Amino acid sequence: NAGVTQTPKFQVLKTGQSMTLQCAQDMNHNSMYWYRQDPGMGLRLIYYSASEGTTDKGEVPNGYNVSRLNKREFSLRLESAAPSQTSVYFCASSEGYGGTDTQYFGPGTRLTVL
Amino acid sequence: AQSVAQPEDQVNVAEGNPLTVKCTYSVSGNPYLFWYVQYPNRGLQFLLKYITGDNLVKGSYGFEAEFNKSQTSFHLKKPSALVSDSALYFCAVRPMDSNYQLIWGAGTKLIIKP
Repeated sequence: NAGVTQTPKFQVLKTGQSMTLQCAQDMNHNSMYWYRQDPGMGLRLIYYSASEGTTDKGEVPNGYNVSRLNKREFSLRLESAAPSQTSVYFCASSEGYGGTDTQYFGPGTRLTVL
Repeated sequence: AQSVAQPEDQVNVAEGNPLTVKCTYSVSGNPYLFWYVQYPNRGLQFLLKYITGDNLVKGSYGFEAEFNKSQTSFHLKKPSALVSDSALYFCAVRPMDSNYQLIWGAGTKLIIKP
């Protein structure tokens, strides 16, 4: 039982390049989340997905797209990376549909945009 | 605007002494409250949560937190600190008018000195 896995662990991009961050969970959870973590700030929600094929914008969705192709996987895509997107990105999952559920986090992806 | 405050960027405690990490919030209604911990280069891990009922909540690793409605606080406590408790601690709040989005504090770095 690996929990929540994320790839890659580290990535360096040049401004304007694109990339996809992958996330998968093996806990049969319904909800999945993408967050970014910046120094001195709490986590900020980028996107949320309650089920396959459904996504909702979070606090900071601009510049990102997501895809929930199946129950296990939730990917985050940067179409044209900008230095402001330099951050640590965390994927999380929870059993139910938000609310009172405990969230389980992946190890994170550290992204630098030059 | 709804918010969560962790007023101390860093808390230093000697091993064996009691520790407190503070969290106050400003949200509408009766919120759900969470504490998570982040060890270096790792994802966040759930510690405890308050949903309803007894104001004193016990969680993982000997931690507990007390919900104080009148002071809108949810401070994290432990009677006797361990060096291994050194980490970054985040308080999070789910307002009643939100289905899934948490409001996160900026985090408090806890340093336990031998």
